[in-house]
Amino acid sequence: DIQVTQSPSSLSASIGDRVTITCQASQDISDNLNWYQQKPGKVPKLLIYDASNLQTGVPSRFSGSGSGTYFSVTISSLQPEDIATYYCQSYGKFRPRTFGQGTKLEIK
Amino acid sequence: QVQLQEAGPGLVKPSETLSLSCTVSGGPVTSGTYYWTWIRQPPGKGLEWIGYVFNRGGTMYNPSLQSRVTISLDTSKNQFSLRLTSVTAADTAVYYCARDLQSIGAFDIWGQGTTVSVSS
Repeated sequence: DIQVTQSPSSLSASIGDRVTITCQASQDISDNLNWYQQKPGKVPKLLIYDASNLQTGVPSRFSGSGSGTYFSVTISSLQPEDIATYYCQSYGKFRPRTFGQGTKLEIK
Repeated sequence: QVQLQEAGPGLVKPSETLSLSCTVSGGPVTSGTYYWTWIRQPPGKGLEWIGYVFNRGGTMYNPSLQSRVTISLDTSKNQFSLRLTSVTAADTAVYYCARDLQSIGAFDIWGQGTTVSVSS
């Protein structure tokens, strides 16, 4: 089965910083990679699908890139409301879905 | 607007069976566009995909849970359900039901989650 590994596991940044979280797949998954944001005590929310497509309503400071085995999500200018844990998730036809272990983003 | 709502006991004894249901409102579970999914999150830990069922009753499960999991569809109630047998403390978690949009393999709608504790 395909594994996805996120890094870092935690990250501390200042308001206004550019922040990047990465996700590496154990084999080529094309662009079959999604990103979620989970704020403390809340339900996860879909941020980006198919590696680079912003879900409706997600602020444009979020962007996703990558294909194959290496992916990333970037926040261009960190805002206080972006404090959350971020998860990547891989998928494929007739394959189990797999989550990364999560990246906890905190304010410095 | 489609909404999902989990229901089931909040406490299960070790070795017994955990059973949860998810009621879908605002759209039919018979839609061929979606997989109906269960995901869990142990306290303080990350998300774990459990599995899904789709409109013809077909299923796919997390290999690590496959021997203990059954997900089924009840079209008459517009619900889908999770059964997890032989539970232990390691199965204590918030359990979410979610809608998986097949074309992008993404969970675009989630229930609020229900906490299940395994304890005697």
